[in-house]
Amino acid sequence: EVQLVESGGGLIQPGGSLRLSCAASGFSFSTSWMHWVRQAPGKGLLWVSRITSDGSNTNYADSVKGRFTISRDNAKNTLYLQMNSLRAEDTAVYYCVRDWYHTKDYWGQGTLVTVSS
Amino acid sequence: DIVMTQTPLSSPVTLGQPASISCRSSQSLVHSDGNTYLSWLQQRPGQPPRLLIYKISNRFSGVPARFSGSGAGTDFTLKISRVEAEDVGIYFCTQATQFPHTFGQGTKLEIK
Repeated sequence: EVQLVESGGGLIQPGGSLRLSCAASGFSFSTSWMHWVRQAPGKGLLWVSRITSDGSNTNYADSVKGRFTISRDNAKNTLYLQMNSLRAEDTAVYYCVRDWYHTKDYWGQGTLVTVSS
Repeated sequence: DIVMTQTPLSSPVTLGQPASISCRSSQSLVHSDGNTYLSWLQQRPGQPPRLLIYKISNRFSGVPARFSGSGAGTDFTLKISRVEAEDVGIYFCTQATQFPHTFGQGTKLEIK
């Protein structure tokens, strides 16, 4: 059974940093592309970032480029999102999502990040 | 960026009746590899999104047969043949043909 479990969310002040983690199990993590997608409270979905299976290629939404960094540790079956210079508009539930041939097939439960003073 | 526009944004439906959601993209979603990476997601209240349909018309594992997808190019449709109570939630179309990947605004399905 595919499982994606996010952690690391919480309350952080504007300008602060946070690192999210996603523990993956039940599938071959090292051969899977992965995404982060976020959802502000009561709002729609926004794609944040993607990383290829070996970590050699990454893509970002313009709104986070230069502030967020996606990475992975295939030995630990874990995906990361390093978030710096956080803003109030980054407040959202962040989902870890598996990519299956250009389809986002499995989603974690999400972790809530709240940026507020 | 490819803009995904869903209609309607809200759909009150009677149990047992059909429902239909439209999704239009601002550009063709045909990828250079010939595939069209248009998916439909369901988000029940308090839950993460769940994949229903991928590549326009393919039902994902475990998705009931009452859900179907159709379309081509820039116009796509999700249909529910007979709505059940468990279908209440928000439905999103999404494209993965071009970065940044984008989502429709969501259509709220509710029971009349």
